[in-house]
Amino acid sequence: GESVGLHLPTLSVQEGDNSIINCAYSNSASDYFIWYKQESGKGPQFIIDIRSNMDKRQGQRVTVLLNKTVKHLSLQIAATQPGDSAVYFCAESNQFYFGTGTSLTVIP
Amino acid sequence: DSGVTQTPKHLITATGQRVTLRCSPRSGDLSVYWYQQSLDQGLQFLIQYYNGEERAKGNILERFSAQQFPDLHSELNLSSLELGDSALYFCASSVRGAGSDTQYFGPGTRLTVL
Repeated sequence: GESVGLHLPTLSVQEGDNSIINCAYSNSASDYFIWYKQESGKGPQFIIDIRSNMDKRQGQRVTVLLNKTVKHLSLQIAATQPGDSAVYFCAESNQFYFGTGTSLTVIP
Repeated sequence: DSGVTQTPKHLITATGQRVTLRCSPRSGDLSVYWYQQSLDQGLQFLIQYYNGEERAKGNILERFSAQQFPDLHSELNLSSLELGDSALYFCASSVRGAGSDTQYFGPGTRLTVL
């Protein structure tokens, strides 16, 4: 069945470096993707979204890239800060599928 | 603060018991979603309601049921509880319940079944 999965369960980066979190999806008909951030003890929080008619979208310090050919999307965080430490989920909205998340740890 | 409230924050109960989790959506949101999050399963979609009607169903067990009331708050009922039901339960809400809606998540209810 359809799935949305993350490549790596954990990621550690040095403060100030850029972070890249990857996500693969299986449903080629998926047309909308969202990235959520979940801090410890809190519910997931919307970060950025992208529709399938785009291949890149930028927010504040975050960029999402979508490669429909290989059914892959990534979240790039520029100048990673300690406050970015959290679990990041990609979700394919129409089906409400979330992966298990990637845990990002920022090393001061 | 997302504007979505969930009660209680924590719930400890025994196997075989029944509990009710409550969710109040953001003001103006018509759709409510329920998710279960456990350590080894990630975030699992359970069920969605829109304006009082069930709209989508995910991996919800038959022992679980939900409803959305006329004032748009929602309750998730978990019965015949098992140890494996211990998890965080999140409620989310969105404006229209469409696939392109942003979902706003509540703080969750942590359920512990002993």
